[in-house]
Amino acid sequence: EAGVAQSPRYKIIEKRQSVAFWCNPISGHATLYWYQQILGQGPKLLIQFQNNGVVDDSQLPKDRFSAERLKGVDSTLKIQPAKLEDSAVYLCASSFLRGGGSNTGELFFGEGSRLTVL
Amino acid sequence: SQQGEEDPQALSIQEGENATMNCSYKTSINNLQWYRQNSGRGLVHLILIRSNEREKHSGRLRVTLDTSKKSSSLLITASRAADTASYFCANGAGFKTIFGAGTRLFVKA
Repeated sequence: EAGVAQSPRYKIIEKRQSVAFWCNPISGHATLYWYQQILGQGPKLLIQFQNNGVVDDSQLPKDRFSAERLKGVDSTLKIQPAKLEDSAVYLCASSFLRGGGSNTGELFFGEGSRLTVL
Repeated sequence: SQQGEEDPQALSIQEGENATMNCSYKTSINNLQWYRQNSGRGLVHLILIRSNEREKHSGRLRVTLDTSKKSSSLLITASRAADTASYFCANGAGFKTIFGAGTRLFVKA
């Protein structure tokens, strides 16, 4: 079974530039997550999709970050314009939607996209 | 913040010793999960314990859960140099999975 694919693995940009990250979840996983992990910290949820609808984006800085999930499969996360504090690893994860509406099962993570903003 | 807390923040032990990491959380949960992250890599799921369970084993891993204290612990027995990594607890509540700040484990050969 193929895992969660992310690209690019590394990206270096200057502040005020834009960047986009792509994620392809495991086939059949209804739920897709984008987490931001700053060096030395735990992952922080930015946005959670269930199929192609947004379940939670309460911690997404919507003035600069946007995300979409096309046809309930692939997803892109965009930052425009980037700030120095956006330097982090952006992790995509997916999970199987369990019955009864509970979605808190095992998450499968990609390798992450490391962003450096200069 | 909804994030839980983990302690210790860092732990250094000799190969063969046991490593214990603790996690506290703030809300009612469906389950508590533990993940491992090697440097520069994504997170890998280790074990999940449901809110109605008190203890669970998987190989050299033992997880306990005390919902009255809103806390969990992860024990790695007979540690190996390859266990060197960051370990994160994650509490599942409703539709959310919230991660703690992690414990950095270093196992010296």
